[in-house]
Amino acid sequence: AQTIHQWPVAEIKAVGSPLSLGCTIKGKSSPNLYWYWQATGGTLQQLFYSITVGQVESVVQLNLSASRPKDDQFILSTEKLLLSHSGFYLCAWSRGPFNQDTQYFGPGTRLLVL
Amino acid sequence: AQSVTQPDARVTVSEGASLQLRCKYSYSATPYLFWYVQYPRQGLQLLLKYYSGDPVVQGVNGFEAEFSKSNSSFHLRKASVHWSDSAVYFCAVSPPGNTRKLIFGLGTTLQVQP
Repeated sequence: AQTIHQWPVAEIKAVGSPLSLGCTIKGKSSPNLYWYWQATGGTLQQLFYSITVGQVESVVQLNLSASRPKDDQFILSTEKLLLSHSGFYLCAWSRGPFNQDTQYFGPGTRLLVL
Repeated sequence: AQSVTQPDARVTVSEGASLQLRCKYSYSATPYLFWYVQYPRQGLQLLLKYYSGDPVVQGVNGFEAEFSKSNSSFHLRKASVHWSDSAVYFCAVSPPGNTRKLIFGLGTTLQVQP
């Protein structure tokens, strides 16, 4: 069975500080991977997706970047956090390389920027 | 614009009562349709999905949804709710043939009263 892990579970960071969030999927080779952001009490917005190592597509510009250094790993980062980055970050995966399949979500990382 | 609408921000029902959560989409062709649930401070769990075929789809925990092409709707139902069903329910859509793109509604908060 596939499992998806996100780290850290939660972060409190200062405005202007760097950020790195991670996501790992186990039990599935060559998955499609996704990053979503959810404002507190809000809906989910897709930020990035990746279909293979080293390839990332940006969906929404929020002064964030993403990278896929390994087949099973997806990283979300920024060099300078803004207050508006606060929220809940969710990683998701789907079977690749086809583009018709369900997305399954990880447990999320809660971020508070002060 | 292509979108998904959940007209009820909050629904309150008594335990044991039936439930319907509404979802309407706006797409020129029938999209892929999903219902996800988010329990407090957790990630999203897939309840059910519709790609084609029988318009009534069964999901987990006794949930089902009915697709209506004429009404552009995909309403979620449950015959008898339990207090543990209290959560936020998200309807989501993907354009036909491309489930990498997943667009979420604003969500409906369900509160089940004992």
